[in-house]
Amino acid sequence: DSGVTQTPKHLITATGQRVTLRCSPRSGDLSVYWYQQSLDQGLQFLIQYYNGEERAKGNILERFSAQQFPDLHSELNLSSLELGDSALYFCASSVAPGTSGGAVYEQYFGPGTRLTVT
Amino acid sequence: AQSVTQLDSHVSVSEGTPVLLRCNYSSSYSPSLFWYVQHPNKGLQLLLKYTSAATLVKGINGFEAEFKKSETSFHLTKPSAHMSDAAEYFCVVLQAGKLSFGAGTTVTVRA
Repeated sequence: DSGVTQTPKHLITATGQRVTLRCSPRSGDLSVYWYQQSLDQGLQFLIQYYNGEERAKGNILERFSAQQFPDLHSELNLSSLELGDSALYFCASSVAPGTSGGAVYEQYFGPGTRLTVT
Repeated sequence: AQSVTQLDSHVSVSEGTPVLLRCNYSSSYSPSLFWYVQHPNKGLQLLLKYTSAATLVKGINGFEAEFKKSETSFHLTKPSAHMSDAAEYFCVVLQAGKLSFGAGTTVTVRA
């Protein structure tokens, strides 16, 4: 158990709908990351937050948005869902973002939320 | 820009024999490299990381990886495979705060 929790575990919804995925980082971790894992695209970085502020963006669609709250939990919002958005969405957390002062901070992954769009 | 290439999409070994998973990276700078493992229907677990200290890195569950700058490689090995090692393995590079994942290598262990 990594200490990162994600809810829900599974989500089935229809095209055009909006869903919210939730992530609680490990105790003490300030940085949260979101990833998408699909069969055709593999694992892709979506977005990173550090202490409530957006830190880095990857291949995140405009229909997707995220935020990190003062208690450090994060939510990923997916709207106008399409069939191609069906995937496993992972949240990860680390003490600090990537590298800092010569130290490298590894990321700890949650169990994921499996989204199925029908 | 950096990228990671895992040279084998699938590796099959017999229980008790060595495992070798190959990874090459391209990076403009000295990279930080990781190996993660994903068991079926589970999240990713960190096996080991390289951060420009010792070139031979030991990880959990008997795995180790060797960083070779001249070959731009970071291959993962284990001397003796166990049935529980059946999983998907990802070689990952960290640069500018972002992780880039290889396509993954699926390991099958035969009894």
